[in-house]
Amino acid sequence: DIQMTQSPSTLSASVGDRVTITCRASQSVSSWLAWYQQKPGKAPKLLIYKASTLESGVPSRFSGSGSGTEFTLTISSLQPDDFATYYCQRYGTFGQGTKVEIK
Amino acid sequence: QVQLQESGPGLVKPSETLSLTCTVSGGSISYYYWSWIRQPPGKGLEWIGYIYYSGSTNYNPSLKSRVTISVDTSKNQISLKLSSVTAADTAVYYCARERRSRDYDYGMDVWGQGTTVIVSS
Repeated sequence: DIQMTQSPSTLSASVGDRVTITCRASQSVSSWLAWYQQKPGKAPKLLIYKASTLESGVPSRFSGSGSGTEFTLTISSLQPDDFATYYCQRYGTFGQGTKVEIK
Repeated sequence: QVQLQESGPGLVKPSETLSLTCTVSGGSISYYYWSWIRQPPGKGLEWIGYIYYSGSTNYNPSLKSRVTISVDTSKNQISLKLSSVTAADTAVYYCARERRSRDYDYGMDVWGQGTTVIVSS
């Protein structure tokens, strides 16, 4: 089974910061990787699919890159609405999540 | 706009079977994959399994022996059954639509709001 490992587990940042989250796959997943944002008490929301394609309606400050086994989610300028937990996912496997907290 | 709504008992006794339904409104079940995902309190997301509208399924190996997912296209519903539950199955259960095929995977773009299931006597 493919394992997805995210780092860091928790990230403290301020509004306006550039934030990068990494997701590593235990074997190549080509570009078939998605990123989700989840806020407390809410369902996850799809941000990016196919590693770098922005889902419709998602702000352009979010971007994704990578292929094979290493991927990144970048928020170019962190906004108050972005404090949440982020998950990467490849088919039936999710990463363990990265919580973005207010510094 | 497609919407998903999970429903079912919020409390299940240990050793019994958890049964949930996901009702799809505003669109058709056809030509999509439909997944169940759960999230234990304070923990991350765990994929349970999916079903294609035609009825083919795939389950998480760690749950495979206890899980059954089915589809009723006439009612636009997907169902989840998880047998022999324990306290470890206490979680928020979500259904989600997957945009995928054998050749591509464009992620889970529509999610239900989730339903909390507690396993306790």
